Amino acid sequence: TQLLEQSPQFLSIQEGENLTVYCNSSSVFSSLQWYRQEPGEGPVLLVTVVTGGEVKKLKRLTFQFGDARKDSSLHITAAQPGDTGLYLCAGGKGAQKLVFGQGTRLTINP
Amino acid sequence: GAGVSQSPSNKVTEKGKDVELRCDPISGHTALYWYRQSLGQGLEFLIYFQGNSAPDKSGLPSDRFSAERTGGSVSTLTIQRTQQEDSAVYLCASSLESGGMGQPQHFGDGTRLSIL
Repeated sequence: TQLLEQSPQFLSIQEGENLTVYCNSSSVFSSLQWYRQEPGEGPVLLVTVVTGGEVKKLKRLTFQFGDARKDSSLHITAAQPGDTGLYLCAGGKGAQKLVFGQGTRLTINP
Repeated sequence: GAGVSQSPSNKVTEKGKDVELRCDPISGHTALYWYRQSLGQGLEFLIYFQGNSAPDKSGLPSDRFSAERTGGSVSTLTIQRTQQEDSAVYLCASSLESGGMGQPQHFGDGTRLSIL
């Protein structure tokens, strides 16, 4: 059972465009993390959100945690080729392990 | 080193052989996790350790898979009688403590396992 659904699974856009990646669940999470993974490397943490409705910005990336703490989104403004990679969301529930989504493979074309 | 270290980085072996994958977590991290990732896919949880204990082994796909952790540090994932479907990247991560309360997991670069 996939507790965290990411969409889209694949996204290819032109440099300069904006995009949004979604992470949805029917479960409530105490925290939500976003990771980025490049080929041949392990995932690297981008951000953690813990409060419903929380918005965090990291340069051109904006992360939002849903009010009900069941969903999250990642918005990238003016995408650049360096943003290319696999983006993973992961939900945490108290003392339990993190649950990862299946990932969104993003390609930014010059 | 400062990060999570995994070895070997690549392993090619014949079907039916046993393999051992090693993970050196960040010093002081009490929680250690093993994941499996098929080509371009998300992470499949295998097992996690809190200290030397494994509270959750629910992700191990069969009894051919086992893992141990000694001294609260190094962990070894062993796959016996390997099958072709075991081919994947095996990722290890560590964190200061276990649980989902926002503790970031720090990943190694993985072991790419290929079963011929």
